[in-house]
Amino acid sequence: GAVVSQHPSWVICKSGTSVKIECRSLDFQATTMFWYRQFPKQSLMLMATSNEGSKATYEQGVEKDKFLINHASLTLSTLTVTSAHPEDSSFYICSARDQSRQGDVYEQYFGPGTRLTVT
Amino acid sequence: GQNIDQPTEMTATEGAIVQINCTYQTSGFNGLFWYQQHAGEAPTFLSYNVLDGLEEKGRFSSFLSRSKGYSYLLLKELQMKDSASYLCAVLDSNYQLIWGAGTKLIIKP
Repeated sequence: GAVVSQHPSWVICKSGTSVKIECRSLDFQATTMFWYRQFPKQSLMLMATSNEGSKATYEQGVEKDKFLINHASLTLSTLTVTSAHPEDSSFYICSARDQSRQGDVYEQYFGPGTRLTVT
Repeated sequence: GQNIDQPTEMTATEGAIVQINCTYQTSGFNGLFWYQQHAGEAPTFLSYNVLDGLEEKGRFSSFLSRSKGYSYLLLKELQMKDSASYLCAVLDSNYQLIWGAGTKLIIKP
């Protein structure tokens, strides 16, 4: 099956610093990747849709300048949390669509997630 | 607005059967997904329904009624490892996934 990796799996950073999270599709090409955030005991919240070679589409309420997304290749998207604050502490999950697969073309494959703690 | 409803929490006994319901109101419909999510982990795919009816996959089955905006996930022969949150998600007319809040399933011995 399709595999998506994320790095790092967990990170602790100081307030005011920036953190970059990588999302890779390991055995397929993903023209579209999604970034989610999940707070404890809550459901997934879509932050942005990342399209290879173009600007990301952000959901309402998500600050573009704070959450920088780059999708430079068909297998890699990065999310950079700039000037992180304690309220940014959350579980960040990426997912990708393998649009070459017929029949389940809209299934999203999830990465293992990155737990960010800002102190 | 778009809305997906599922119970917050359910409790069942090991070896039993449980049905988790999901009702939805979305702008368009291109399929409904069920995902399983263990605490601290990312969701894993369980099922996808786009046509009415029951899809069976081992111990798990998923049902869809598009006219009623309703789906359920049926788990049989429950095992302790089935304790997790179960997320219902609908693909809307823009092919965006709309997520429910999830149902936390607690399995007791």
